[in-house]
Amino acid sequence: AQSVSQHNHHVILSEAASLELGCNYSYGGTVNLFWYVQYPGQHLQLLLKYFSGDPLVKGIKGFEAEFIKSKFSFNLRKPSVQWSDTAEYFCAVRYPSGSARQLTFGSGTQLTVLP
Amino acid sequence: EAGVAQSPRYKIIEKRQSVAFWCNPISGHATLYWYQQILGQGPKLLIQFQNNGVVDDSQLPKDRFSAERLKGVDSTLKIQPAKLEDSAVYLCASSLQGLSTDTQYFGPGTRLTVL
Repeated sequence: AQSVSQHNHHVILSEAASLELGCNYSYGGTVNLFWYVQYPGQHLQLLLKYFSGDPLVKGIKGFEAEFIKSKFSFNLRKPSVQWSDTAEYFCAVRYPSGSARQLTFGSGTQLTVLP
Repeated sequence: EAGVAQSPRYKIIEKRQSVAFWCNPISGHATLYWYQQILGQGPKLLIQFQNNGVVDDSQLPKDRFSAERLKGVDSTLKIQPAKLEDSAVYLCASSLQGLSTDTQYFGPGTRLTVL
């Protein structure tokens, strides 16, 4: 079965610091990749997604992610974080065909931004 | 547009009791998902409906969990009897067509505590 690894469980940054959250998935082939975010007290919501084309994807609120096929990675980045970015971030992968078509989530990374 | 609605938001029961959760997806969304999110983990798919038919229930513990979506709109998830390890947040999500590229929209979840 496919798996998604988020190696950083908790990241603490000061405002204006740069952010990079790691995400690796277990095997190759055509893949659809997602980052979801859950702000305190709110629903899970989509930050950005990648299906094909330009491997650098831009999402909402200044976030971007880069798909590196050779490394099975889809890391999330933001050049300058704000206190309001404090949230839990989930990477997820879905394969368009075969037996692994369900959306599989990583265990999440809790980001705390200090004012 | 209205989001995915779920009720109740919180439920506390004793082991061996039964419990039911309700979900109303976004209007017009053909696909409905139930996820289980245990503390410290990412959401795990339990069951996926396309209209009123089951697409994937491979990770649903069928000896105690059941779900239905009789009219292809709202859905209920039931646990009978509950075990301690069922303590989790149960998330409902919906998407337009169930394609691997579709964005899934999540509800607020029901937090279940089994004592």
